[in-house]
Amino acid sequence: DIQMTQSPSSLSASIGDRVTITCRASQSISTYLNWYQQKPGKAPKLLIYAASSLQSEVPSRFSGSGSGTDFTLTITSLQPEDFATYYCQQSYSTLRTFGPGTKVDIK
Amino acid sequence: EVQLVQSGTEVKKPGESLKISCKTSGYTFTSHWIGWVRQMPGKGLEWMGIIYPDDSDTRYGPSFQGQVTISADKSISTAYLQWSSLKASDTAMYYCARQTIVGSYAMDVWGQGTTVTVS
Repeated sequence: DIQMTQSPSSLSASIGDRVTITCRASQSISTYLNWYQQKPGKAPKLLIYAASSLQSEVPSRFSGSGSGTDFTLTITSLQPEDFATYYCQQSYSTLRTFGPGTKVDIK
Repeated sequence: EVQLVQSGTEVKKPGESLKISCKTSGYTFTSHWIGWVRQMPGKGLEWMGIIYPDDSDTRYGPSFQGQVTISADKSISTAYLQWSSLKASDTAMYYCARQTIVGSYAMDVWGQGTTVTVS
């Protein structure tokens, strides 16, 4: 199985801050990496697919980068609605796996 | 509009069986894999498995193989997740999601979730 790790597991940030979340795969997954946002009590929402492609209607302050084993999700100017938990997911293997999540809360 | 609508909250006893559903609309059901994701209380997302409705090709995550059954009914564009004998540890929120057919096969549209409580 391909294992996914994320860092940090949580972070506190202020409105307007630049936030970076890292995701690492246990083996190369090319760019088969997706990012999801989940707010409490809600279903996850796809933000970024194929490591760096922005899903339709997702604000441009979200961006993704990376390939191989190391990936990054960046929020350039954190907004109130961005406080949530973020998950990466590999879709290289038929058996998909999610990272453990990164919770972003208000400082 | 693409929609995945899941069945309602379930409260069951250990040892009971259960089948929850995910009714889809707004796209060609047989052209996209459908996946199931578990979220235990206060925990992260766990990928359970996927099914290709056209031929019912099914794959399971290692932790879920033999524990659940994923199926689909093409005639009513609905996917299912079922248990033959529930355990307390099956208490969780369960989501279905459509997988894209281009790009990186992400899960682009999600159901609202079904809460399962086993007690």
